Amino acid sequence: RKEVEQDPGPFNVPEGATVAFNCTYSNSASQSFFWYRQDCRKEPKLLMSVYSSGNEDGRFTAQLNRASQYISLLIRDSKLSDSATYLCVVTPDSWGKLQFGAGTQVVVTP
Amino acid sequence: GAVVSQHPSWVICKSGTSVKIECRSLDFQATTMFWYRQFPKQSLMLMATSNEGSKATYEQGVEKDKFLINHASLTLSTLTVTSAHPEDSSFYICSARSDRYSNQPQHFGDGTRLSIL
Repeated sequence: RKEVEQDPGPFNVPEGATVAFNCTYSNSASQSFFWYRQDCRKEPKLLMSVYSSGNEDGRFTAQLNRASQYISLLIRDSKLSDSATYLCVVTPDSWGKLQFGAGTQVVVTP
Repeated sequence: GAVVSQHPSWVICKSGTSVKIECRSLDFQATTMFWYRQFPKQSLMLMATSNEGSKATYEQGVEKDKFLINHASLTLSTLTVTSAHPEDSSFYICSARSDRYSNQPQHFGDGTRLSIL
């Protein structure tokens, strides 16, 4: 079983719509959680950290469910520029090593 | 925000060549840098953790004699792919953070696309 699992998609989303997807992690002791976005053939860029109480950054909302070991990302009012692969990233310990999911591809269409 | 620069961004070379990739933290001191590799449509895979002034820690299955890592200063880590072969062709990305034990997000370099002919 992979340590971090994501639905690869693609999620085809009409512009202006809402899309949400989850990521599950296997290590219950995982400490930190992040969403990164990666555009084609580019490096990952931090989208947002995920806090226990859930957090919002503009049109993006992240949730953490420790009991079920998953995090989620919701994108409201999707823009064409939101098209990308969204990587779920987990820090399993205090040393800060990152474990990456394979990414969920989102395609926003006009 | 924190900036990590990686160079070169693209390398094409013949089989058997050694290739050096540099990763620099431009506006902060990076006690820890990480080297990842990403094959098409796959997740980033950690290759090694590089701590300034000490030997790198390699992940299982990564040959330390083939992927030489040097982190001689707080702003520079290098990865040398020795005697590269076509199967080493991949996207190599470094990341850096300033605190050795922090759970803060890491900042990534632009990546180096390595193509071995």
